[in-house]
Amino acid sequence: AQTVTQSQPEMSVQEAETVTLSCTYDTSENNYYLFWYKQPPSRQMILVIRQEAYKQQNATENRFSVNFQKAAKSFSLKISDSQLGDTAMYFCALPAGSEKLVFGKGTKLTVNP
Amino acid sequence: DGGITQSPKYLFRKEGQNVTLSCEQNLNHDAMYWYRQDPGQGLRLIYYSQIVNDFQKGDIAEGYSVSREKKESFPLTVTSAQKNPTAFYLCASSVRDYNQPQHFGDGTRLSIL
Repeated sequence: AQTVTQSQPEMSVQEAETVTLSCTYDTSENNYYLFWYKQPPSRQMILVIRQEAYKQQNATENRFSVNFQKAAKSFSLKISDSQLGDTAMYFCALPAGSEKLVFGKGTKLTVNP
Repeated sequence: DGGITQSPKYLFRKEGQNVTLSCEQNLNHDAMYWYRQDPGQGLRLIYYSQIVNDFQKGDIAEGYSVSREKKESFPLTVTSAQKNPTAFYLCASSVRDYNQPQHFGDGTRLSIL
């Protein structure tokens, strides 16, 4: 069964600095996607970035990038130039078969002014 | 604008009462999902549906029921058999492709009176 582990329940960072959130997973699939979602205090879940497992190049979306290490089954999210609006819960997610996603328990990130 | 609408935003349930949470989408997505979110637990899948008139149990289906009579609608009923219903409930939808992300509504907060 697919599992997703986020080992950092809470993190904090100073505004304008860089922070990395970790995610490890387990799957028997060879081709799959990985996702990072953000849930700000408003509670709406927003897709931040996704990575295709068969692509070696790490995905990047503006200040957000991933460090994907397939052999190690690691999928960390790096946020550069952190902004106050980045304060949120961040969830890593992995497809479980072709029908649903499995989510990690989340990391609560606080960006301090 | 296309999106997912959940209502109500807040809901209160009395002992022994069934309550229904509404989820409507106009994204023309085939798949819809219901998640429960508790502090420190991440998102747990209650039910999902890949097509009209068909749905499957997720990881925590006991005490819940759903229907999928229309593509756009996937209501969730929290029955009196669910002894600990206080939580935040999120509805999501997606195309039937595990490579594509799920889109989420704003959620419903259910509390016990």
